[in-house]
Amino acid sequence: DAGVIQSPRHEVTEMGQEVTLRCKPISGHDYLFWYRQTMMRGLELLIYFNNNVPIDDSGMPEDRFSAKMPNASFSTLKIQPSEPRDSAVYFCASKESGGLNEQFFGPGTRLTVL
Amino acid sequence: KNEVEQSPQNLTAQEGEFITINCSYSVGISALHWLQQHPGGGIVSLFMLSSGKKKHGRLIATINIQEKHSSLHITASHPRDSAVYICASNSGGSNYKLTFGKGTLLTVNP
Repeated sequence: DAGVIQSPRHEVTEMGQEVTLRCKPISGHDYLFWYRQTMMRGLELLIYFNNNVPIDDSGMPEDRFSAKMPNASFSTLKIQPSEPRDSAVYFCASKESGGLNEQFFGPGTRLTVL
Repeated sequence: KNEVEQSPQNLTAQEGEFITINCSYSVGISALHWLQQHPGGGIVSLFMLSSGKKKHGRLIATINIQEKHSSLHITASHPRDSAVYICASNSGGSNYKLTFGKGTLLTVNP
């Protein structure tokens, strides 16, 4: 398996622009997680899905952030409008259901908002 | 609210040394995870444990549920072990929502 795939790997945009990050989980994994990593706050969970349904979005910082999972093989995290403080590395991870299985992380998307 | 604390924040060692990284958490958990992040950013899960001890090669992870404490040990450290090591626990009543420590930056010099 190719592992968790994220695109783009790097994104540079200007304040106010819409940003869409994409993730393809490992085939057969029922859970998908979006994380954000910054120097100041470390890794934080933004939202996670089970069987394409959002289960916990309490980590989504504000209404500018939205996430969708239209099918089992694709998820998006959208920021509209983007702000400089959104600059971070965004990771997607997936895991199998059925117990406390480990999460597999994607390579991350490094977002820079100018 | 579960909080996860790691120590030390930074650690420098000479090749071959035995290394210990500590992690403590504030509330009861289902499992404790140890993750490794190399320069360049990729995150790899090393261990997930809910009791006792696990070993993988030169890496050993232990957990004491009563004391709410876990340790990651590296025996015979090598420069390729240089990375950030992050512990994370399942927080609240959810099995899958992780709370992360700030990480320990390990540098192993040849």
